[in-house]
Amino acid sequence: NAGVMQNPRHLVRRRGQEARLRCSPVKGHSHVYWYRQLPEEGLKFMVYLQKENIIDESGMPKERFSAEFPKEGPSILRIQQVVRGDSAAYFCASSPPGTSGPTDTQYFGPGTRLTVL
Amino acid sequence: DAKTTQPPSMDCAEGRAANLPCNHSTISGNEYVYWYRQIHSQGPQYIIHGLKNNETNEMASLIITEDRKSSTLILPHATLRDTAVYYCIVRVTGGAQKLVFGQGTRLTINP
Repeated sequence: NAGVMQNPRHLVRRRGQEARLRCSPVKGHSHVYWYRQLPEEGLKFMVYLQKENIIDESGMPKERFSAEFPKEGPSILRIQQVVRGDSAAYFCASSPPGTSGPTDTQYFGPGTRLTVL
Repeated sequence: DAKTTQPPSMDCAEGRAANLPCNHSTISGNEYVYWYRQIHSQGPQYIIHGLKNNETNEMASLIITEDRKSSTLILPHATLRDTAVYYCIVRVTGGAQKLVFGQGTRLTINP
């Protein structure tokens, strides 16, 4: 991993509560991606953001999930009214600005493991 | 949907070279081959990528066939810490894009 930070590393919520997952990208990176990994499954793309803009949210559930990447501060993945099926590992990745060559390699954080009771 | 096919699992003896194959028969001319790995419970780790030439870095070598329909990731001297799920991904670079992960190959390095 190249410096992507995620917190908290572990989060426990009861059904109906809200979960907020934070991601600080590598310094200088302006692209952030969120992926979800359900137990015993592969990683699935959720959303891609640039500063203050959602570029691709094709993998986001239509309800209860939202993401933002403000001009200042970390990216936030917010899950409202959590259900047991939201229990998963949520990974954030970042890549630098630029549109060509190997510079858009994505570097992943350690993940946040959400458990919904 | 993933555009690659990998064996679900492989074993390799510690100290030997681990050769992980990947088929990507529908790869386009502007798509790169990327390899990531995920050690248990950790975030995916970038390993290497290439377009058509063979590539080598401090972690691994990537051999891409001349027709680009398949490739092999080589870990030259596997250690127990290389036990992980290895993902082969094809994607267009130049313009950030999501990664589409398949099931990968679960590589087990045996002592």
